[in-house]
Amino acid sequence: DTAVSQTPKYLVTQMGNDKSIKCEQNLGHDTMYWYKQDSKKFLKIMFSYNNKELIINETVPNRFSPKSPDKAHLNLHINSLELGDSAVYFCASSQETGNDEQYFGPGTRLTVT
Amino acid sequence: AQKITQTQPGMFVQEKEAVTLDCTYDTSDPSYGLFWYKQPSSGEMIFLIYQGSYDQQNATEGRYSLNFQKARKSANLVISASQLGDSAMYFCAGTNNAGNMLTFGGGTRLMVKP
Repeated sequence: DTAVSQTPKYLVTQMGNDKSIKCEQNLGHDTMYWYKQDSKKFLKIMFSYNNKELIINETVPNRFSPKSPDKAHLNLHINSLELGDSAVYFCASSQETGNDEQYFGPGTRLTVT
Repeated sequence: AQKITQTQPGMFVQEKEAVTLDCTYDTSDPSYGLFWYKQPSSGEMIFLIYQGSYDQQNATEGRYSLNFQKARKSANLVISASQLGDSAMYFCAGTNNAGNMLTFGGGTRLMVKP
């Protein structure tokens, strides 16, 4: 059983397009996250949601808009894609906003041409 | 907020030997958590081990142990009896007082030699 799933796994698109990445967790967790891993493997938090409410937005451009229709889903929509958005995007979830292990999805490799 | 530093960009270890991956952290929060994740070449992030700031004993999980030295603000990962499958990127990460975000170090690429 997949705990945290993301679709698509690979996404290639042109500059200026709008795209979405979907994330679902079947662990019953209350908190979900989006991380970005750049070409140098550096991982950085983007957003954190707890029970569908945004609790962290780490100075991410307004072109990125997370949406949580329910606490099992946290989708990432990106407007007007730029070359610098090329990265691997990881969704993760944890039981609470405490010091709990975060379970990561398989990642979505976004390439903007 | 946490700051996590991993000073070893790459390391080699002989198969069956032990290896220590360094991690130092910097936070003023009284309560925090420290994690290690493994990222093999396939790209997924695999949780290895967790240490809470108030835990009295060092965490252990199978061949993984965390050498937690609070006064030195270090949380080194020790892998015993290295295996070829241990070749991967290893990330140290820490949470803040609220525990609602992970801050990652730059990672260490471990290569196990046969």
